[in-house]
Amino acid sequence: AQSVTQLGSHVSVSEGALVLLRCNYSSSVPPYLFWYVQYPNQGLQLLLKYTSAATLVKGINGFEAEFKKSETSFHLTKPSAHMSDAAEYFCAVTIASGNTPLVFGKGTRLSVIA
Amino acid sequence: IAGITQAPTSQILAAGRRMTLRCTQDMRHNAMYWYRQDLGLGLRLIHYSNTAGTTGKGEVPDGYSVSRANTDDFPLTLASAVPSQTSVYFCASSASGLVTDTQYFGPGTRLTVL
Repeated sequence: AQSVTQLGSHVSVSEGALVLLRCNYSSSVPPYLFWYVQYPNQGLQLLLKYTSAATLVKGINGFEAEFKKSETSFHLTKPSAHMSDAAEYFCAVTIASGNTPLVFGKGTRLSVIA
Repeated sequence: IAGITQAPTSQILAAGRRMTLRCTQDMRHNAMYWYRQDLGLGLRLIHYSNTAGTTGKGEVPDGYSVSRANTDDFPLTLASAVPSQTSVYFCASSASGLVTDTQYFGPGTRLTVL
């Protein structure tokens, strides 16, 4: 079965600093990986996804993530944090075969300090 | 364009009562999903439907039932609510049910079972 582990339930950065949210996956077959963001009192929305094309994936709002098979990682980064980036971020994994549902990580709450 | 609507926004329910959470999408998506979100556990899939007339069980289906009579609606029913079903419930949809599809989420229903 697939799983993801998000390291750090809460990350705090200063405005303008690098954002790095960590996600490691476990899968016996090549995975598809996703990052979703949840702003306060809202549903989730897709930031970006890796579906076996380019390993460096660019998403919305300046975020990107790199699929590293050797490290089983799919960390999310943004060069310069904005106050509006404060939210909960979820990494998720699935695989190509059948109707395997998305498996979400437990989430990382990002705080941005002025 | 509304996307996905959920009702009610929040509800306090006595244990043992029956409750139906409503979900409607106007995107003509084939696949729909119900998740529950609990602090520290992330999102967990309850039930899903890849097309009207079909449903499937997710990770945590016990105590919940769903139906998919048409493309737009995907109600979730708690036949006899228990306190452990206190959670935030999110409905989502995707165009075709393929694992690479983006899922679009509703705003959620906050349910408290006393």
